[in-house]
Amino acid sequence: SQQGEEDPQALSIQEGENATMNCSYKTSINNLQWYRQNSGRGLVHLILIRSNEREKHSGRLRVTLDTSKKSSSLLITASRAADTASYFCATDRGSSGSARQLTFGSGTQLTVLP
Amino acid sequence: NAGVTQTPKFRVLKTGQSMTLLCAQDMNHEYMYWYRQDPGMGLRLIHYSVGEGTTAKGEVPDGYNVSRLKKQNFLLGLESAAPSQTSVYFCASSPGTESNEQFFGPGTRLTVL
Repeated sequence: SQQGEEDPQALSIQEGENATMNCSYKTSINNLQWYRQNSGRGLVHLILIRSNEREKHSGRLRVTLDTSKKSSSLLITASRAADTASYFCATDRGSSGSARQLTFGSGTQLTVLP
Repeated sequence: NAGVTQTPKFRVLKTGQSMTLLCAQDMNHEYMYWYRQDPGMGLRLIHYSVGEGTTAKGEVPDGYNVSRLKKQNFLLGLESAAPSQTSVYFCASSPGTESNEQFFGPGTRLTVL
């Protein structure tokens, strides 16, 4: 079963606007990660936020985590056409013997129009 | 460094045929994973390995087998392919550190007729 669920499933914005994607999960986690997937390509790691962190920045990316609501958001500021991709959240429950498995959500398809 | 590579990139099989997908990584990572991705869905874990000579089942292991004879390689086998195994298969590796960031290959698109 999917641990993380992204919302919205699809998002279309104009270049220069901000894009916000949300992720909800069901069980306690060790960390939550966001990945990007360009069409026909493998996933690329973007950013990781640990369970004891509330906000993290990396360039134009801002991630928040609310463990009480079991949710996270990814904000991409000043979007560019090159940001067009699918974005996935992945949760690491960090349980022993799990080999640090990640459970992926179904993704948000972001389209940035020039 | 090439990172994570997968062979082949595309393959078409007939029902009942067998094949092996090869994943190789040159980052000396301990952990390796095989996922499948179906339209509109995220990745689902098939099998994984925490080191050379070890394998374990993931979320959807039925119909697949794996082997990790060398640290840098992780093989995924389909003994008798079924149309339900039509998917895009991704391999990933991880150093196994606290963060468990995973590095992905480019994928193998498999069609079973």
